[in-house]
Amino acid sequence: AQSVTQPDIHITVSEGASLELRCNYSYGATPYLFWYVQSPGQGLQLLLKYFSGDTLVQGIKGFEAEFKRSQSSFNLRKPSVHWSDAAEYFCATTGFQKLVFGTGTRLLVSP
Amino acid sequence: GAVVSQHPSWVICKSGTSVKIECRSLDFQATTMFWYRQFPKQSLMLMATSNEGSKATYEQGVEKDKFLINHASLTLSTLTVTSAHPEDSSFYICSARDSTGGNQPQHFGDGTRLSIL
Repeated sequence: AQSVTQPDIHITVSEGASLELRCNYSYGATPYLFWYVQSPGQGLQLLLKYFSGDTLVQGIKGFEAEFKRSQSSFNLRKPSVHWSDAAEYFCATTGFQKLVFGTGTRLLVSP
Repeated sequence: GAVVSQHPSWVICKSGTSVKIECRSLDFQATTMFWYRQFPKQSLMLMATSNEGSKATYEQGVEKDKFLINHASLTLSTLTVTSAHPEDSSFYICSARDSTGGNQPQHFGDGTRLSIL
């Protein structure tokens, strides 16, 4: 069955610094992969998705992610973090229409 | 963009009452909607898949008589927590997928925080 792993429970980044959140997937074929962001007490917002084609995917809010089959990874990146980026980030994949979420990574942004 | 509206956003009620949560897709049709439960500082747990015009599909361990799901139209699914007890207190989130086909992602509502006293 498809699954995703987010090895970092929380990460602290200084405002203005670059960010990379890790996500590893487990699936034999090419998976459908997503990154969602959740602000406290709110639902999830889709940042970007990968289905096929170009392995570097651009999303909203300046985020991008790169699909690397050789590493089974789909890491989320942003070149310069803003304080408003502090939130919980979920990597997800699909299996039989269902979304399978990672455990999430909480991003803290320090001044 | 695709918008999913969830109502109410917060509800507090006494133990033993039933609570209905609505999930609406505002600018697209969704034959399939999903209901999740999220405990503090944890990931989302899929409770059930709501299918328009047919019975919902529940995940293992989710009581279908406790969490009633109705998906009567292409834009509305409801989750009713029957005879709610304090252990049902949680954050409930719905999502919907555009039925137009292709690889449409799920779009999420803003969630409902349920507190049972």
